[in-house]
Amino acid sequence: DAGVTQSPTHLIKTRGQQVTLRCSPKSGHDTVSWYQQALGQGPQFIFQYYEEEERQRGNFPDRFSGHQFPNYSSELNVNALLLGDSALYLCASSFSQNYGYTFGSGTRLTVV
Amino acid sequence: DQQVKQNSPSLSVQEGRISILNCDYTNSMFDYFLWYKKYPAEGPTFLISISSIKDKNEDGRFTVFLNKSAKHLSLHIVPSQPGDSAVYFCAASEGYGGATNKLIFGTGTLLAVQP
Repeated sequence: DAGVTQSPTHLIKTRGQQVTLRCSPKSGHDTVSWYQQALGQGPQFIFQYYEEEERQRGNFPDRFSGHQFPNYSSELNVNALLLGDSALYLCASSFSQNYGYTFGSGTRLTVV
Repeated sequence: DQQVKQNSPSLSVQEGRISILNCDYTNSMFDYFLWYKKYPAEGPTFLISISSIKDKNEDGRFTVFLNKSAKHLSLHIVPSQPGDSAVYFCAASEGYGGATNKLIFGTGTLLAVQP
């Protein structure tokens, strides 16, 4: 049973560029949440998608946007990249009526 | 505004002894608390949780204690094993149950269990 799959695992981008990160949820899960983990910090909630809509959003600027597809997979898009966007981006999936989050291994984004 | 705080960045214990990891929170609206373990190059893995209506929850070698009046929780690992060496995150949420709740994480504590 595949868990949460994220791609790519590592990515290097230049300031001002745009990036798209992808997430496939665990089988049976219908809700996807995205978190940003900066170096030395805990994960911070970016937003959550359910039924292809953004259900909740954390304190992140509009440069961060997302999408959920009918097969429950999700994308995180970041525009106009800043050096401070360098972080590990974690995707977590869950079943809407169950508290259990399953995290992926993350995408390490480096902005230079 | 750090609503969940783990004031010890690291902890070192001997194999077989008890590991105690601490977490403090400031938001009195939090009513569900979780501990996650994270190995390098892996995502966080759920370990144990506790709701605000309880003061203790056990799962094998892991016990979480909640002191609501002090806004403090702790994770006890007995006995500690070298495989427990990882970063441990405390997390909290408002609202009990349901995957709609966002998690607020602490900054983590690196536990090293020495053989």
